Amino acid sequence: EIVLTQSPGTLSLSPGERATLSCKTSHRVSASFLAWYQQRPGQAPRLLIYGASRRATGIPDRFSGSGSGTDFVLTISRLELEDFAVYYCQLYGTSLVYTFGQGTKVEIK
Amino acid sequence: EIHLEQSRVDVRKPGESLKISCQASGYNFATSWIAWVRQMPGKGLECMGIIYPHNSHIRYSPSFEGQVTISADTSIATAFLRWTSLKTSDTAIYYCARTHDFGDGFDSWGQGTLVTVSS
Repeated sequence: EIVLTQSPGTLSLSPGERATLSCKTSHRVSASFLAWYQQRPGQAPRLLIYGASRRATGIPDRFSGSGSGTDFVLTISRLELEDFAVYYCQLYGTSLVYTFGQGTKVEIK
Repeated sequence: EIHLEQSRVDVRKPGESLKISCQASGYNFATSWIAWVRQMPGKGLECMGIIYPHNSHIRYSPSFEGQVTISADTSIATAFLRWTSLKTSDTAIYYCARTHDFGDGFDSWGQGTLVTVSS
């Protein structure tokens, strides 16, 4: 079973700053099956990125994804107040199921 | 517009059975996968399993195999998640989510069903 490890656990930043979130997989995976989600308090998750780098419909271009192999990154170029939330990476793996990372909380510094 | 409508709250006692639902609209329900995702209080997301309603092909995550049953009824565009004997540890929010294909991500989510199991 592939394990997804996100870091850091918590990221404290100010509005306007750049956020860089990491997701490492325990084995090499296909970038085609790597996605990122945002979850605001009290809300359902929202798809941000799929296929490691493709923005979902309606997602602002300040969100970008990159990576390959075992290392993937979600970047938020300039944080806005609505971006302070928890972010999860997700993989569709060889065991034919989906796995999530444990999440990174982006909080206001 | 794609919409997944879930019942909001359910309260049960340990040992009771429960079936929650996720009614879809705005797309061809039969030919997209529906996933069930658990979020325990203050914790992260866990995918329980996925179903392809057209042929009821189901894949369970190992942690949930045998613990729950996923099903779907294409005539009413609704997916279900069922427990036969609830435990207090089943207390969580349960989301349904849609994906058209495995590489597309879960592009639409229900609002979640809060299940509380308490004596």
